[in-house]
Amino acid sequence: QLQLQESGPGLVKPSETLSLTCKVSGGSITSNDHFWGWIRQPPGKGLECIGSLYHSGSAYYNPSLKSRVVLSLDTSRDQFSLKLNSVTAADTAVYFCARITWDGLDVWGQGTTVTVSS
Amino acid sequence: EIVMTQSPDTLSVSPGERATLSCRASQSVNSNLAWYQQKPGQAPRLLIYGASTRATGVPARFSASGSGTEFTLTISSLQSEDFAVYSCQQYNNWPLFTFGPGTKVNI
Repeated sequence: QLQLQESGPGLVKPSETLSLTCKVSGGSITSNDHFWGWIRQPPGKGLECIGSLYHSGSAYYNPSLKSRVVLSLDTSRDQFSLKLNSVTAADTAVYFCARITWDGLDVWGQGTTVTVSS
Repeated sequence: EIVMTQSPDTLSVSPGERATLSCRASQSVNSNLAWYQQKPGQAPRLLIYGASTRATGVPARFSASGSGTEFTLTISSLQSEDFAVYSCQQYNNWPLFTFGPGTKVNI
C-alpha cells in the first residue's frame, strides 16, 4: 500500500527557506502514470496547489509561488522535496504531499505544520 | 487562473437528511472536477473524480454531477461520519489544479 510521509522543520524564520521532503513507500516514484505534488492549507483556509513534479524532473508551479519555489526529486531514495524561499507569516500552513493521477490526488501524506515566526 | 467557488460556506443538516453542495468554476473545466472530504486534523480524501465517478471505496450515498462550470455533490442520507469539509478541485490544466474554499457540513 502506497504511503507518503512529509518531514522537515516545523518552525522557519521570516525571510529564510522552508524545506520539506516527502518519502514515498510501498511504491515507486518513477511510475509513468503519476505526478507528485505539494499542497498547502493555511489555518482555517482552503487548499492551495504549490506545484507538481514528474519523475523525469519536469516541474510545474503555481504561478503565484513560482518565483520562490523549487521542486526536486531523488529517485534513488523514492522521495521528493519542496523548497520555498523568502518565507513570511503568510506561508504558515499545513503542507501536504500527494500522488497526482489523471483523475485527482488519490494518496496523501498526513501533512506537516510549518510556522513562520522569529 | 481558474477560480473555484463553493456554496454554501456552511450547511447544517440532521443525520439521515440529504445534503446538496455546489461548486462553480470561473471558466469551463469540462468534466475535470474532483471532490474531496476532509475531517479535522486529517488529509483530504478523494471522493469523486471526472465530475461524477466515485473513487474506490466511496459509499453509494455520495453522488455528483455537472460539467463545464457548474457542479453538484449530493449526500443522500447523511451519516455521522459524513460531517466534514468538502472541497471541489479542478484539474483542467493538469498537472496543476485549484481548489474551492470548501463547504463545511455541520450537524
